[in-house]
Amino acid sequence: ETGVTQTPRHLVMGMTNKKSLKCEQHLGHNAMYWYKQSAKKPLELMFVYNFKEQTENNSVPSRFSPECPNSSHLFLHLHTLQPEDSALYLCASSGAGRTTLSYGYTFGSGTRLTVV
Amino acid sequence: DQQVKQNSPSLSVQEGRISILNCDYTNSMFDYFLWYKKYPAEGPTFLISISSIKDKNEDGRFTVFLNKSAKHLSLHIVPSQPGDSAVYFCAASERKVTGNQFYFGTGTSLTVIP
Repeated sequence: ETGVTQTPRHLVMGMTNKKSLKCEQHLGHNAMYWYKQSAKKPLELMFVYNFKEQTENNSVPSRFSPECPNSSHLFLHLHTLQPEDSALYLCASSGAGRTTLSYGYTFGSGTRLTVV
Repeated sequence: DQQVKQNSPSLSVQEGRISILNCDYTNSMFDYFLWYKKYPAEGPTFLISISSIKDKNEDGRFTVFLNKSAKHLSLHIVPSQPGDSAVYFCAASERKVTGNQFYFGTGTSLTVIP
């Protein structure tokens, strides 16, 4: 158990569907992140939330919509996705300052998304 | 433009020998560097880190070396074990007003052959 739980583990959706990915952390961290991992590409940062406030949006298309109702929960709402959006979506959390620099993020196991 | 690069997508090493994984970066503002290990169907897990004020950090069988002038770091695993077979990601951090952000490489898949 990593302390960061993602559901579902696998998701297959059509291009007209709406679905949501969920992430929950029990580590008392104040920052949460969504990353996308595509084959043969580096992990791509999508969104950052610090104390429930979105602080980064790395030019992510509007078909991806994040929601952070509190410091422990993070959602990624998906609608009208494209097949090229198929990837592993990773959630991560971190504490403050030096701890994060020295120990990085704690990642969940990811959601393997396939858009058909 | 990719700021952290791992140019070797895969590496195979005999059990008991040394594994050396390499990483290059372009941003001289990076001041912390981490290695993550990832097994299939799991998220990356933290392995070892180094700050820019050091050139070496050791933790058991794992040692990370940093060459700031060359903007290069490497992870040495000695001796390599079959359980070390995984994908290894290099990450670098730049301090930002909004908090720390890590940039990741594409990963190197290590296979340790028994």
